[in-house]
Amino acid sequence: EVQLVESGGGLVQPGRSLKLSCVASGFTFSNYGMNWIRQAPGKGLEWVAYISSGSSYIYYAETVKGRFTISRDNAKNTLYLQMTSLRSEDTALYYCARPSNWGQGVMVTVSS
Amino acid sequence: DIQMTQSPSSLPASLGDRVTITCRASQDIGNYLRWFQQKPGKSPRLMIYGATNLAAGVPSRFSGSRSGSDYSLTINSLESEDMAIYYCLQHNEYPHTFGAGTKLELK
Repeated sequence: EVQLVESGGGLVQPGRSLKLSCVASGFTFSNYGMNWIRQAPGKGLEWVAYISSGSSYIYYAETVKGRFTISRDNAKNTLYLQMTSLRSEDTALYYCARPSNWGQGVMVTVSS
Repeated sequence: DIQMTQSPSSLPASLGDRVTITCRASQDIGNYLRWFQQKPGKSPRLMIYGATNLAAGVPSRFSGSRSGSDYSLTINSLESEDMAIYYCLQHNEYPHTFGAGTKLELK
């Protein structure tokens, strides 16, 4: 069974940093490109970032470019999202996802 | 960026109805279009990929179609478990972009 389990969320002050993790199981993680997608409370879905299977290709939404860094460790079956210079508008539920499978999401709240 | 204009934003319907949700792409995206279903408090679920292909485990009453730059999700014979928010996603180019969502609810 495919599982994606996110962690690392929480309450953080504006301007601070946070690193999310997503541990994958049930499939060959190193064969798949992975995404981070977020959803602000009561709002729609927003694609955030993508990393290819071997980390050669990385793309970001303009809203996070220069502040967020996506990475992966295929030996640990883990996807990461390093978030810096956090803003209130980054408050959202962050999902780790490949097209057909999503994690349960991890909440990030940016507030003073 | 490619804009995905999704309509309607809200769709009241009755059990047994046939309903259609549409996304219009601002640029050519080929068939790089997916449909997701999201129920309250749950993660999105892939329903349709490649504009017309049913994802694994999705009931056959769901179908996807394309007419030019318009992509549609149709549900035949609506059931109570289909009440949810539906999103389209273009993945032809980065940044990937979602439609704003359609809330399907009982009339």
